[in-house]
Amino acid sequence: AQKVTQAQTEISVVEKEDVTLDCVYETRDTTYYLFWYKQPPSGELVFLIRRNSFDEQNEISGRYSWNFQKSTSSFNFTITASQVVDSAVYFCATDRGSTLGRLYFGRGTQLTVWP
Amino acid sequence: NAGVTQTPKFRVLKTGQSMTLLCAQDMNHEYMYWYRQDPGMGLRLIHYSVGEGTTAKGEVPDGYNVSRLKKQNFLLGLESAAPSQTSVYFCASSDLNRGNTEAFFGQGTRLTVV
Repeated sequence: AQKVTQAQTEISVVEKEDVTLDCVYETRDTTYYLFWYKQPPSGELVFLIRRNSFDEQNEISGRYSWNFQKSTSSFNFTITASQVVDSAVYFCATDRGSTLGRLYFGRGTQLTVWP
Repeated sequence: NAGVTQTPKFRVLKTGQSMTLLCAQDMNHEYMYWYRQDPGMGLRLIHYSVGEGTTAKGEVPDGYNVSRLKKQNFLLGLESAAPSQTSVYFCASSDLNRGNTEAFFGQGTRLTVV
């Protein structure tokens, strides 16, 4: 069965600090996708990234970067020079290769960035 | 560009009452989903649909029914609401194309059952 573990329930940092959110997944599929979503205090879910299981290249998008390592079944998310607007709940998720978008979510990490 | 729209945004029900949540998408997506989000639990799949006229159970289907009579709409029904169904409900849709499995989410419906 699919499972996503986000061991960090809450993280607090001061503005401009770097912060890494951990995500460990379990799957028996060889083909799958990994996702990160952001949920700001307003409540909507904002898509951040999708990663194919065959693509282990790290990705950088502005202050955001993602480290995908199949050897440790991890898909960690780093925010560089954090800002107050980064305060949100961040969810890691995976989908099975056979179910086209049916997502399995972790429990989320509440990130608070203090000014 | 509306995307995924949920109606209503908020609702308070009394135990035993029934209601229907409506999800509408304008992206011509084949797949649609209903999730619930509870504190500390992340999102869990209630039911989903792989096309017009089809529905299937997810992880937590008990107490809910769904219908997909039109491709663009996915309805979630509570026949007899219980306090345990107090939650935030999210609808999502995604494309059949394997290269575009990003799920687009609605803004959520906050339901309280008293």
